[in-house]
Amino acid sequence: DIQMTQSPSSLSASVGDRVTITCRASQGISLSLAWYQQNPGKAPKLLLYAASRLESGVPSRFSGSGSGTDYTLTITSLQPEDFATYYCQQYYTLPLTFGPGTKVDIK
Amino acid sequence: EVQLVESGGGLIQPGGSLRLSCAASGFTFSNYRMHWVRQAPGKGLVWVSRINSDGISTNYADSVKGRFTISRDNAKNTLYLQLNSLKAEDTAVYYCARDMYSDFWSGLFDPWGQGTLVTVSS
Repeated sequence: DIQMTQSPSSLSASVGDRVTITCRASQGISLSLAWYQQNPGKAPKLLLYAASRLESGVPSRFSGSGSGTDYTLTITSLQPEDFATYYCQQYYTLPLTFGPGTKVDIK
Repeated sequence: EVQLVESGGGLIQPGGSLRLSCAASGFTFSNYRMHWVRQAPGKGLVWVSRINSDGISTNYADSVKGRFTISRDNAKNTLYLQLNSLKAEDTAVYYCARDMYSDFWSGLFDPWGQGTLVTVSS
């Protein structure tokens, strides 16, 4: 199985801050990397896929990059609705696996 | 509007069985592959199972293989997950999710239902 790790596990930030979350796969996943946002008590929501492609309707302050085993989610100018938990997920091969999540809360 | 609504969760004793349902609307259900993903309380997301559009091909996580069965009824626009031999560690919110594309497996979950809670406890 491909193991996914994320760092940091949590961070505190203020509205307007730039936030970067890192995701690492245990083997190369050829850009088959997605990011999801989950607000408390809600279902996850797809933000980006193919490492850097923005899902329809997702604000452009979200962006993704990376290759091989290392990927990054960046949120420029954090908004109040962005305080949530973010998960990366590889869809390169079965079993589909997620990172442990990064909780972004208010400083 | 695409909508997925899960039901069937509840409190069940260890060793018991439960069937979860996911009612789909707002899209041509029979064209899409579907998944189940679960999330234990306060924990992360774990993929459970997937099924192709005609219900013939299925895959499972090792942790549920042989105990859970995914199926679908395209005439009823409904996805199912039969949970047998339940263990305490199966306690979780179970989400159904549509695979993003209708033409091929993507492994992307979009959208998700609201989830149904399964609690395995004596």
